[in-house]
Amino acid sequence: AQRVTQPEKLLSVFKGAPVELKCNYSYSGSPELFWYVQYSRQRLQLLLRHISRESIKGFTADLNKGETSFHLKKPFAQEEDSAMYYCALRATSGTYKYIFGTGTRLKVLA
Amino acid sequence: NAGVMQNPRHLVRRRGQEARLRCSPMKGHSHVYWYRQLPEEGLKFMVYLQKENIIDESGMPKERFSAEFPKEGPSILRIQQVVRGDSAAYFCASSPGQGMDEQFFGPGTRLTVL
Repeated sequence: AQRVTQPEKLLSVFKGAPVELKCNYSYSGSPELFWYVQYSRQRLQLLLRHISRESIKGFTADLNKGETSFHLKKPFAQEEDSAMYYCALRATSGTYKYIFGTGTRLKVLA
Repeated sequence: NAGVMQNPRHLVRRRGQEARLRCSPMKGHSHVYWYRQLPEEGLKFMVYLQKENIIDESGMPKERFSAEFPKEGPSILRIQQVVRGDSAAYFCASSPGQGMDEQFFGPGTRLTVL
């Protein structure tokens, strides 16, 4: 079954501390993995996709096929990083629909 | 480019009424996806449409729900005879094509069924 698991509903860290948002997936094939972010009162927007291998706003995520994980990391959290983060998987064939995790709310404390 | 537009942003219906949710994709986008987010859950795929065609409706409930994307005008998600369990946020996303194109999301419509 295709599934994305984000085990933490809420993650609180202090400003300047490292952040790791966990994401594990289940998919028979080679999926494309994404992280989406939703800031307060804003729409869902793309943060990272694994194929681009970019660092956006200091965030990085590495696809680990052996562990079927795509954890999101940032070495030093900022208050403006506080938001809901969704990990998503997209099939690389068929209709390319997304499968989302349940999301993790990140709170960065001053 | 104003981005993906959805209206209304909030919709209140009584049980048994009909709900119509509209999605205007970004200019130049001909592919529309609808997702539903129930409280405390992630977004779940409902239906994928291209102009005048339903491509994948595997996530749509079999009854009461329908979707269309006419040649002219917005995509419509229609829920007939709403029940309390239909209360959710409904998100639309559009992309210029299929495949590896990014999907851009609208702000969502929050449906409340009384």
